[in-house]
Amino acid sequence: DVKVTQSSRYLVKRTGEKVFLECVQDMDHENMFWYRQDPGLGLRLIYFSYDVKMKEKGDIPEGYSVSREKKERFSLILESASTNQTSMYLCASSQTGGSYEQYFGPGTRLTVT
Amino acid sequence: GENVEQHPSTLSVQEGDSAVIKCTYSDSASNYFPWYKQELGKRPQLIIDIRSNVGEKKDQRIAVTLNKTAKHFSLHITETQPEDSAVYFCAAIPVGYGNKLVFGAGTILRVKS
Repeated sequence: DVKVTQSSRYLVKRTGEKVFLECVQDMDHENMFWYRQDPGLGLRLIYFSYDVKMKEKGDIPEGYSVSREKKERFSLILESASTNQTSMYLCASSQTGGSYEQYFGPGTRLTVT
Repeated sequence: GENVEQHPSTLSVQEGDSAVIKCTYSDSASNYFPWYKQELGKRPQLIIDIRSNVGEKKDQRIAVTLNKTAKHFSLHITETQPEDSAVYFCAAIPVGYGNKLVFGAGTILRVKS
C-alpha cells in the first residue's frame, strides 16, 4: 500500500520566517508534486519533480522553491513566509508510465501570522 | 493552457437520490480524466477515472461519462449514502503535460439522511 507522509499536520510560523515542508513516499515513485488547497480554488500545483534533482514550476510557484535530493523525499521551501501563504499544503506522488494515479499525503495546515 | 471548470460548487441531495457533477475542459487534446474524493480532514483519493478512448466507465454506484465533442465529463453517483458526503475534484491531463493533473475547483456534496 502506497504511503505518502508529510512532516507536520499543523504548522504556525511568523511572517518572514523560512519554512520547510517535507514529504516522503515509500513506493519508489518517480513523480512528486506539491499542491496548495484553498476553498473554491481546488488543488493548485506549485511545483513538480519527475526525478531526483529535477523540478518544474507549476501554476503558482512564486514565493516557493523545492528540493529533491533523494527519490523518496520532496521538500517545499517558503523562503520568507507571508500571510497570503496561509493554506493547506498537499504532497502527492505517482509512478511514470501506466497509471496516472496520484497518491496524496495527509496535508499540512500552515498558518502564517 | 488547460482550464477545468467544475459545477456545481455545492450539491445537497437526499439519501438514496442520485448526484451528478459536471466538468468542462478547454484542451481538446486532453486524454485522461480522473475523479478524486476528499472526505473531511482526509487526503484526496482516486475513485474513478476514464481515458479519452472510452465514453463511459462504471464501478458499482459511481460512473463517469465523457463527451469529447462537447469537452465535458461527469461523475454520477446513484443511491447516495451519507458516507458519500465529501468534496469531489475532477481533473484532466492535457497532452504534453506528462503526469501533471489540472484540477477543477471542487464540489462539496452533502447527502442528507
